[in-house]
Amino acid sequence: GEDVEQSLFLSVREGDSSVINCTYTDSSSTYLYWYKQEPGAGLQLLTYIFSNMDMKQDQRLTVLLNKKDKHLSLRIADTQTGDSAIYFCAGGIQGGKLIFGQGTELSVKP
Amino acid sequence: NAGVTQTPKFQVLKTGQSMTLQCAQDMNHEYMSWYRQDPGMGLRLIHYSVGAGITDQGEVPNGYNVSRSTTEDFPLRLLSAAPSQTSVYFCASSYKRGAQETQYFGPGTRLLVL
Repeated sequence: GEDVEQSLFLSVREGDSSVINCTYTDSSSTYLYWYKQEPGAGLQLLTYIFSNMDMKQDQRLTVLLNKKDKHLSLRIADTQTGDSAIYFCAGGIQGGKLIFGQGTELSVKP
Repeated sequence: NAGVTQTPKFQVLKTGQSMTLQCAQDMNHEYMSWYRQDPGMGLRLIHYSVGAGITDQGEVPNGYNVSRSTTEDFPLRLLSAAPSQTSVYFCASSYKRGAQETQYFGPGTRLLVL
């Protein structure tokens, strides 16, 4: 089955860029997703990338996909304290079978 | 739209008790799923449904039952609660646009089994 791996913690200073990394084993996923979970809340879709794309930019967010290395990253420019949350990458497979990584806890220090 | 709603928000059970976690969505989504979230393990899929009357097992289905009699509702039943089922449970619904699915998550139910 598919496995999705993320590092557990990342700490940055306000105003710096954050890069959250994710590796996956199954390359059959048509889409790959990034979700954000704020404390005590459910997950919220941040952005996604089609597996045929290398990069997608959405305001402060940049998603990079390296299909050869099965590596996905999320870059947050000008990170703010409000960006502190847990970020999950997920590989989407049909029928609601979304496989999630363990989540990366991003801590933004003022 | 209320989106995806879950009840209760918190629950404490004793080992061996049964209960039902409720999930409802008002977006007319075909797909619904249940996940559990445990520290350091991300979200793991328990059961999912691709439409009313159709359900299937996910990664960790043991100890849980589901049914999907309507498009809107997807309850999760714990048959005989065990401490290992202490977790945060998330329900999600999704729609497809071509091959791309967008999932919407409920706020979660925090369950403690003593």
